[in-house]
Amino acid sequence: KQEVTQIPAALSVPEGENLVLNCSFTDSAIYNLQWFRQDPGKGLTSLLLIQSSQREQTSGRLNASLDKSSGRSTLYIAASQPGDSATYLCAVRNTGFQKLVFGTGTRLLVSP
Amino acid sequence: SQTIHQWPATLVQPVGSPLSLECTVEGTSNPNLYWYRQAAGRGLQLLFYSVGIGQISSEVPQNLSASRPQDRQFILSSKKLLLSDSGFYLCAWTRGSTYGYTFGSGTRLTVV
Repeated sequence: KQEVTQIPAALSVPEGENLVLNCSFTDSAIYNLQWFRQDPGKGLTSLLLIQSSQREQTSGRLNASLDKSSGRSTLYIAASQPGDSATYLCAVRNTGFQKLVFGTGTRLLVSP
Repeated sequence: SQTIHQWPATLVQPVGSPLSLECTVEGTSNPNLYWYRQAAGRGLQLLFYSVGIGQISSEVPQNLSASRPQDRQFILSSKKLLLSDSGFYLCAWTRGSTYGYTFGSGTRLTVV
């Protein structure tokens, strides 16, 4: 059974800092891994999708890496801004299964 | 472009009343459709998924049911709501195994 863990559970940083969010998963037989952000009371917004054959994906100030063999992914946020404050979720899709398995989330607060 | 619509945004229902939440996807055909629930302080739990019209798979036995009467329409229902059905319900879609998921804006259900 796939289990996804995110560390840290919460993170508070001043504006401008670069930061790293971590995601680990127990079963490496995955199609892909997806990072989402969720603002309070809102739905999930997709940030980055990394296929199992890829090592990283970039979008603007965001960079996500994937090490499938070790069961790890990181989301790097450069030059953080108050607007980045949200909960960040990683999710994996295992081969042969229909569902996304979500991590526990990291709640990020960026202070001005 | 593809869009996903989910309604209503919020709902307050008494215990024992029926429920119907609707989700529609535009701009694509034969999407894989999903219903997730996010309970307060807990992670995202897959409830149902559908890979085609009339095809419904249940992940968790419970007081809810799902139907897919049309290709791009997914409905979550209950005949009699329980207090434990309260939560944030999210609809999602994807083209297939190697594609990312797109989520709707969610429905906040409070059963009183």
